[in-house]
Amino acid sequence: DAKTTQPTSMDCAEGRAANLPCNHSTISGNEYVYWYRQIHSQGPQYIIHGLKNNETNEMASLIITEDRKSSTLILPHATLRDTAVYYCIVRVAFYKLSFGAGTTVTVRA
Amino acid sequence: GAVVSQHPSWVICKSGTSVKIECRSLDFQATTMFWYRQFPKQSLMLMATSNEGSKATYEQGVEKDKFLINHASLTLSTLTVTSAHPEDSSFYICSPSGRVGGNQPQHFGDGTRLSIL
Repeated sequence: DAKTTQPTSMDCAEGRAANLPCNHSTISGNEYVYWYRQIHSQGPQYIIHGLKNNETNEMASLIITEDRKSSTLILPHATLRDTAVYYCIVRVAFYKLSFGAGTTVTVRA
Repeated sequence: GAVVSQHPSWVICKSGTSVKIECRSLDFQATTMFWYRQFPKQSLMLMATSNEGSKATYEQGVEKDKFLINHASLTLSTLTVTSAHPEDSSFYICSPSGRVGGNQPQHFGDGTRLSIL
């Protein structure tokens, strides 16, 4: 699976959009980009995934660059409950997820 | 999303005790089960993968005789930490998968925090 690079941490203001970057320059053509988050002492929670096109659901939007070497997860209106570690993972359409260090996002009032 | 039930959520026990953790997929058939563990301030590490009715495949460095995995049905898998010691204290998380392949997301249990005294 391709490796990803994410910032170690970031702060954002409550009510503002949070933009979380992820670099995956070695991504293969058949690998998807997945985003999960882990709130303290809980299991990871699925947020969104995509292959080439931008995706949006009730939780977030995923913007994937045309060359697929990077992506951005957008939380449109961050709340205090969005404070968590966010993981960007790329994998082939198979089954095993490998977690990196992720980005620790702190939403401040 | 898929409903995954993991039990117990928290357990404290004495060194030398064996501890069993259950993971149930409540709304789909889990042909594959992934078990992860997470030490404090670290990321999740895959321990083993099991397919229903087959022996589990363990990741490098994970002792198969210490971490016994049973996946006898499509809705239940168990992880038993045998003769647990303080260094086995960790957060254990299961992740059932309904099919091999495909781009559907994996879902996770809420984890079991194991503390060995």
